[in-house]
Amino acid sequence: DAGITQSPRYKITETGRQVTLMCHQTWSHSYMFWYRQDLGHGLRLIYYSAAADITDKGEVPDGYVVSRSKTENFPLTLESATRSQTSVYFCASSVPRDRGRSGGPGALFSYNEQFFGPGTRLTVL
Amino acid sequence: AQKVTQAQTEISVVEKEDVTLDCVYETRDTTYYLFWYKQPPSGELVFLIRRNSFDEQNEISGRYSWNFQKSTSSFNFTITASQVVDSAVYFCALTSRGSSYKLIFGSGTRLLVRP
Repeated sequence: DAGITQSPRYKITETGRQVTLMCHQTWSHSYMFWYRQDLGHGLRLIYYSAAADITDKGEVPDGYVVSRSKTENFPLTLESATRSQTSVYFCASSVPRDRGRSGGPGALFSYNEQFFGPGTRLTVL
Repeated sequence: AQKVTQAQTEISVVEKEDVTLDCVYETRDTTYYLFWYKQPPSGELVFLIRRNSFDEQNEISGRYSWNFQKSTSSFNFTITASQVVDSAVYFCALTSRGSSYKLIFGSGTRLLVRP
């Protein structure tokens, strides 16, 4: 069971180049996420996807593009890399939300944990 | 606005000491979930626990325990009899409808357990 994988694990590129980071999960999780991790900032959400062909911006989406043509893949593209995009990038996935009781202010919602890939360390020179 | 604060940037203890990692959260939602993740030196993120806002029971799992107190908006994590393998960065995180189900992470606490 491969789980969630990311490639490449390490990448060095130059300013202005296009870079694509790959993320693949074998669990058929509906939700997928891209984060970047920088010292002092913890993890910040770049983009997320609720299902194939459904994506939305997170906290720091500028300079990034995502696509989700297949449930299992969620590539992240830096269209023109900048030094400020030097970071460790994590992909994550989670199972669909189980809403439990439906509707109304007392309704529960359930949010399952996210499972993370091993990360890609990207350096932009 | 959703926010998670981990005020302790780094903690250093000697093996076998107990250590508590603090997590304070902010949310206007009455229904929310809290999480703890561990990031060992190898870099991966490991899920430790999920807790929903309706369940205030404290939880114990081996040497790990979690103290959830809604009155103080805290979800603290205690490691009893710490071991060198506990050395890692620990992240607390929050999600709720107000965050559109996105995880909001604290900045992390680096724990160093010295032999």
